[in-house]
Amino acid sequence: QKEVEQNSGPLSVPEGAIASLNCTYSDRGSQSFFWYRQYSGKSPELIMFIYSNGDKEDGRFTAQLNKASQYVSLLIRDSQPSDSATYLCAVNMWNAGNMLTFGGGTRLMVKP
Amino acid sequence: EAGVTQFPSHSVIEKGQTVTLRCDPISGHDNLYWYRRVMGKEIKFLLHFVKESKQDESGMPNNRFLAERTGGTYSTLKVQPAELEDSGVYFCASSRRHPDTQYFGPGTRLTVL
Repeated sequence: QKEVEQNSGPLSVPEGAIASLNCTYSDRGSQSFFWYRQYSGKSPELIMFIYSNGDKEDGRFTAQLNKASQYVSLLIRDSQPSDSATYLCAVNMWNAGNMLTFGGGTRLMVKP
Repeated sequence: EAGVTQFPSHSVIEKGQTVTLRCDPISGHDNLYWYRRVMGKEIKFLLHFVKESKQDESGMPNNRFLAERTGGTYSTLKVQPAELEDSGVYFCASSRRHPDTQYFGPGTRLTVL
């Protein structure tokens, strides 16, 4: 079992719809959770981070964390073609210093 | 505020040669990290500097890899001698505090032929 798992996709949604990206992690003691967006050939760009159970909203983005079920999700409302990218889930696990453990990423395609 | 920069953006070398990658973190960020992504795999942690000290080098694959951060500013990652399996994208990231959000550079794409 991978430490951080994501469906590789592609996840295809129509413009204006809600895109839902999911991530599960193996280490129950994980502390903090990050979503990065990566366009092809570019650097990972931080979208959101979340530390506590529940929802955290920032503009069109909502991160959801459920530590009991060991999953974290990212919702993108009113999806735009410019949101088309690979979304990386990264986890800072218990006793791992500041190291991030990444999932393989989910490729999102938003179709006009 | 300038972001994390990396040089070169691409490097193509032959097996057995040496390559040195450079990373300049965001000004004021004491924490510097190296990660890499090999084809088809996840981004994997290599090591973490706090200023000039190696805090965690548990991800370094073997002794062909040497990272330095003299003076606590920029960092270099040397691969000597390079092997085919070293091909991939090497990312650098920096953060102000520990723990804190890590900001990534554009990466260096290394191809070993």
